[in-house]
Amino acid sequence: GAVVSQHPSWVICKSGTSVKIECRSLDFQATTMFWYRQFPKQSLMLMATSNEGSKATYEQGVEKDKFLINHASLTLSTLTVTSAHPEDSSFYICSATSSYEQYFGPGTRLTVT
Amino acid sequence: DAKTTQPTSMDCAEGRAANLPCNHSTISGNEYVYWYRQIHSQGPQYIIHGLKNNETNEMASLIITEDRKSSTLILPHATLRDTAVYYCIVRGYNTDKLIFGTGTRLQVFP
Repeated sequence: GAVVSQHPSWVICKSGTSVKIECRSLDFQATTMFWYRQFPKQSLMLMATSNEGSKATYEQGVEKDKFLINHASLTLSTLTVTSAHPEDSSFYICSATSSYEQYFGPGTRLTVT
Repeated sequence: DAKTTQPTSMDCAEGRAANLPCNHSTISGNEYVYWYRQIHSQGPQYIIHGLKNNETNEMASLIITEDRKSSTLILPHATLRDTAVYYCIVRGYNTDKLIFGTGTRLQVFP
């Protein structure tokens, strides 16, 4: 099946700094990628839809200036958490669509100290 | 997209069939039922999906009632590695978006 990777798998950063998370579709081209956030013991929450070559579409309540999404190619989307704060600590998961099926990455655990 | 309702948790003995129910009473005619599972601290894994007919693959079977208001995911011979949170999701035919509910935490015990 299709493989989606994320890098890094975990990151610790200081409050006020920015962190970039990469999502790659390894063996297929994805015109659409999604970004989710998951807090402990909770379900996945869709943050935004990322389309190659165009601006991301953010879900209600997600700050687009804080969570910058770039989908520069058909195999790469990045999520940058700007001016991170401890409340941004979470598990960030991306997914990519191929033939109407959605394949998920392994997730990135962000801890902001 | 239609909302789904699932039990919070279920237990199943290893080797037995695990039957996970899902209620989606407001589903419309062109919406699909998808099942994913998430093993602790990993990304979700696709299991199966269907529109109105029952479906089977190497992982599971999906039984959809005739009125499509509910469905059941069946893992025929549960193993300890099937312990996970199972999500039932209704997806519109013209969208790739998946909106996750709370899911069912399945615990398989020896």
